Amino acid sequence: DAGVIQSPRHEVTEMGQEVTLRCKPISGHDYLFWYRQTMMRGLELLIYFNNNVPIDDSGMPEDRFSAKMPNASFSTLKIQPSEPRDSAVYFCASSLQGWEKLFFGSGTQLSVL
Amino acid sequence: AQSVTQLDSQVPVFEEAPVELRCNYSSSVSVYLFWYVQYPNQGLQLLLKYLSGSTLVKGINGFEAEFNKSQTSFHLRKPSVHISDTAEYFCAALPSNDYKLSFGAGTTVTVRA
Repeated sequence: DAGVIQSPRHEVTEMGQEVTLRCKPISGHDYLFWYRQTMMRGLELLIYFNNNVPIDDSGMPEDRFSAKMPNASFSTLKIQPSEPRDSAVYFCASSLQGWEKLFFGSGTQLSVL
Repeated sequence: AQSVTQLDSQVPVFEEAPVELRCNYSSSVSVYLFWYVQYPNQGLQLLLKYLSGSTLVKGINGFEAEFNKSQTSFHLRKPSVHISDTAEYFCAALPSNDYKLSFGAGTTVTVRA
């Protein structure tokens, strides 16, 4: 299996622009997680899905952030409009056993200028 | 509420020397504990986990950790490190009555020849 695949690997955009991050989980996994990593706040859970349904989005910072999972093999995290403070590495992770073993993608390094 | 504290942010170590990374947690209920490793420019990988049973847990790449309930600790050890162990290590905890995995701030291990 190719593992969790995220795209793009790097994204540089200007403040106010819309940003869409993409994730393909490992086939057969029924949980999908979006995390954000920054120096100041470490790893933060933004949202997670079970069987394509959002279960907890309390970590989503504000209404500018939205996430979807239209099917079991694809999820997006969208920021509209983006702000410089959104600059971070965004990780997608999937699992088959809930929280016991997460498989992380390589992340998307987002820079908002 | 629960929290995870990694006591060392940076640990420099010489090749073939032992290393110990300290992790303490606080929780009002029993917890499951994890160590993840993040190699440069990659996502996190599960090193080992403690769910129940023996308090000494062995993981991949020669790492092991010991759960100490009285000291609320879950320290990670390796008797002899390699250059390839240079990475960031994250301790994480999952309360038995909750579904959110909390990560510590991370410990950067730099192995020198």
